[in-house]
Amino acid sequence: DQQVKQNSPSLSVQEGRISILNCDYTNSMFDYFLWYKKYPAEGPTFLISISSIKDKNEDGRFTVFLNKSAKHLSLHIVPSQPGDSAVYFCAASVHSNSGYALNFGKGTSLLVTP
Amino acid sequence: DTAVSQTPKYLVTQMGNDKSIKCEQNLGHDTMYWYKQDSKKFLKIMFSYNNKELIINETVPNRFSPKSPDKAHLNLHINSLELGDSAVYFCASSQVSLIDGYGYTFGSGTRLTVV
Repeated sequence: DQQVKQNSPSLSVQEGRISILNCDYTNSMFDYFLWYKKYPAEGPTFLISISSIKDKNEDGRFTVFLNKSAKHLSLHIVPSQPGDSAVYFCAASVHSNSGYALNFGKGTSLLVTP
Repeated sequence: DTAVSQTPKYLVTQMGNDKSIKCEQNLGHDTMYWYKQDSKKFLKIMFSYNNKELIINETVPNRFSPKSPDKAHLNLHINSLELGDSAVYFCASSQVSLIDGYGYTFGSGTRLTVV
């Protein structure tokens, strides 16, 4: 029972254009959402997050949008660069005072071509 | 100056063997985790410890036993290894709270291959 879904396994974008990665979730209790980036043979690294009280969070070229009614979030990368080529994981959590489990999607492999 | 380090990076072993993966974090985080990434690339939580206390224990065979000697270390011991245990195992750490929004810091993973 996968609660976080990334339905596009791969995406190819030209350098300088916008990359849009999508994520859907099923658990309405999730109150925190994160995006991680992963290069081969490395662990995932944190990219950007958003709490359920917001609908947008921006950090440089990266913006995450949250649509709670649709249980959907997206990551926008503008402009895309070849170094952005990696696997992007969407994750969601229900926060508690004793720690939290991140529920991950299966990832979307982004290729940015020159 | 690695924040979360796990060893070994690669582990090839025969079925039936017992093996351990070690993890250490120097971030001063309160909570540590083990995640498994299977052949379908799906990252799934196995265990979580907060200040040496087990707080999350997902449905994992009891051949897997985490051990936390202190809050900077969380080791994973696996008994009687099976072919299906082949995967990449990631250690991670975090503060208890998501307030700063940084989530986990992951190690670089241990690729376990059972032959």
